[in-house]
Amino acid sequence: GDSVTQMEGPVTLSEEAFLTINCTYTATGYPSLFWYVQYPGEGLQLLLKATKADDKGSNKGFEATYRKETTSFHLEKGSVQVSDSAVYFCALRASTGNQFYFGTGTSLTVIP
Amino acid sequence: GAGVSQSPSNKVTEKGKDVELRCDPISGHTALYWYRQSLGQGLEFLIYFQGNSAPDKSGLPSDRFSAERTGGSVSTLTIQRTQQEDSAVYLCASTPPGALNTGELFFGEGSRLTVL
Repeated sequence: GDSVTQMEGPVTLSEEAFLTINCTYTATGYPSLFWYVQYPGEGLQLLLKATKADDKGSNKGFEATYRKETTSFHLEKGSVQVSDSAVYFCALRASTGNQFYFGTGTSLTVIP
Repeated sequence: GAGVSQSPSNKVTEKGKDVELRCDPISGHTALYWYRQSLGQGLEFLIYFQGNSAPDKSGLPSDRFSAERTGGSVSTLTIQRTQQEDSAVYLCASTPPGALNTGELFFGEGSRLTVL
């Protein structure tokens, strides 16, 4: 069945460091791919998405490219800030039906 | 309200008791999902409601779990005879008509259940 595997955390970075959180998926057909973020004390919210191969989603300085050849959707940011400290979830929406599958989440802490 | 509202935010119960968790989706959202998030685990799908269609219950882990959605709006997740392994954060999400293709799920802040 469809699934998502993402890099385990926790990840601790200094401010202005480069961030990569790896995400790979298994799915039939052409799923849509997402990154959600959960800030401390808040609910999950959509960070960015890509709905077809080679699409690049971007928001708040974060980017992720839908790579079908490597079944990946890695999250990157060139210069993290303390305010980026959160848990990040990679997710896919199955190409048929209305199921969403989430990774286990990666906790990021950015220190000044 | 402006967002998805869940209650209670925190619930501590004794093993064997029944609990009810409530979700009030954003007004006008026709699709509603329940997920469970256990410590160190991803989000586990439980159940999905879409309008007046029969719900997709394929994720419910046992017959102790049930959910209903009254009037196409508020949903209640019921766990009977709770067990310690039911301890988790239960998340509700909703999405408006036509949004499923874009994947914009709107999440509540969750109900944290602790079974002693």
